[in-house]
Amino acid sequence: GEDVEQSLFLSVREGDSSVINCTYTDSSSTYLYWYKQEPGAGLQLLTYIFSNMDMKQDQRLTVLLNKKDKHLSLRIADTQTGDSAIYFCAERIPGQAGTALIFGKGTTLSVSS
Amino acid sequence: GAVVSQHPSRVICKSGTSVKIECRSLDFQATTMFWYRQFPKQSLMLMATSNEGSKATYEQGVEKDKFLINHASLTLSTLTVTSAHPEDSSFYICSARQRNHEQYFGPGTRLTVT
Repeated sequence: GEDVEQSLFLSVREGDSSVINCTYTDSSSTYLYWYKQEPGAGLQLLTYIFSNMDMKQDQRLTVLLNKKDKHLSLRIADTQTGDSAIYFCAERIPGQAGTALIFGKGTTLSVSS
Repeated sequence: GAVVSQHPSRVICKSGTSVKIECRSLDFQATTMFWYRQFPKQSLMLMATSNEGSKATYEQGVEKDKFLINHASLTLSTLTVTSAHPEDSSFYICSARQRNHEQYFGPGTRLTVT
């Protein structure tokens, strides 16, 4: 079945790098996503990676994909207090048009100054 | 990026009443809209998928008579929680998607049933 796992908490100091990890089970995933959710708000798409890519970098964000191990990570360089939020990993399974995303439980990132 | 709005952002209602939540795609036509429910400190749980002009497809365990979904146009979907009870209190999030494009999420609606 489909399952996305994430560690629940991560605490870092301002200026350090944060690495949030995610594992998924469905090898037919086409796209994998990272979303950010601030308290009381909806989800903001941060970045995504296509399943045939190993790495994608976008400013402070680096996504690494190990398709063999079904492992995805999000690295945030020079983490700031404004990065404190819940980060969700999600996978998109090919299928009928309109297939929804499968989300992990989210990793709460706490950044201290 | 594309913008999805939800209205209201927060609603408090009495047990037994019905509440309607709107989801709009503001600058694109959404062929598919999704409704999710999120409990505190939990992930998003997909409730239903709706395609414009057709009946919604509900996930297992979601009561279709309780959570009425209408996707009447390419820019509007509504979720009506009928005969709401305190256990329906939750954060409801919609997302909208054009064909073969990414999903864009609304800001969410906090429902509290007293």
